Amino acid sequence: SQKIEQNSEALNIQEGKTATLTCNYTNYSPAYLQWYRQDPGRGPVFLLLIRENEKEKRKERLKVTFDTTLKQSLFHITASQPADSATYLCALTDRGSTLGRLYFGRGTQLTVWP
Amino acid sequence: DVKVTQSSRYLVKRTGEKVFLECVQDMDHENMFWYRQDPGLGLRLIYFSYDVKMKEKGDIPEGYSVSREKKERFSLILESASTNQTSMYLCASSFPRGRGANVLTFGAGSRLTVL
Repeated sequence: SQKIEQNSEALNIQEGKTATLTCNYTNYSPAYLQWYRQDPGRGPVFLLLIRENEKEKRKERLKVTFDTTLKQSLFHITASQPADSATYLCALTDRGSTLGRLYFGRGTQLTVWP
Repeated sequence: DVKVTQSSRYLVKRTGEKVFLECVQDMDHENMFWYRQDPGLGLRLIYFSYDVKMKEKGDIPEGYSVSREKKERFSLILESASTNQTSMYLCASSFPRGRGANVLTFGAGSRLTVL
């Protein structure tokens, strides 16, 4: 069956450290992989998109890697801050999808403590 | 600023009532989506629409219907609300970037409680 698994439900790190979140998938062939941030009681907000032929993408303190051999994406937040505390969702678009619909993981709740 | 607006942030309804959740986007997006989000289950797609008057079932369409009469508006209808439809409902829209890369813009969500 098809699965998208995010490494853990919760991750707690100290301010200033690098947070690394994992997204593993099974039985998909992603053409694109995206990361979203969701704050409590709000809708998810798009952060980054990476294509199947890209290894890495950066935006300010954020970095995404994509390894199609390992079937894994890693999401890094460097110099983390308490304001980075949120739930982070990965989502992928399967290559076989003609309508480009997204499939979401369940998310990892990140807490950055001072 | 791009916006997806959901008409109600909080609703409380009784079992058996007909419920309308409205969503409007101002970005001229072609694609619109309705998800529900429950603790431990993540985001689950109910219905989506890629054009006016077009709709496609998602993973959990049972008990729901949708309407898209205008490009900017996508409505979710619960014909007869039940307690297991208590949830956070999220509307989203997108304009495909390149070959099927849907980047979604979400609304703030509608938290529905069915008593």
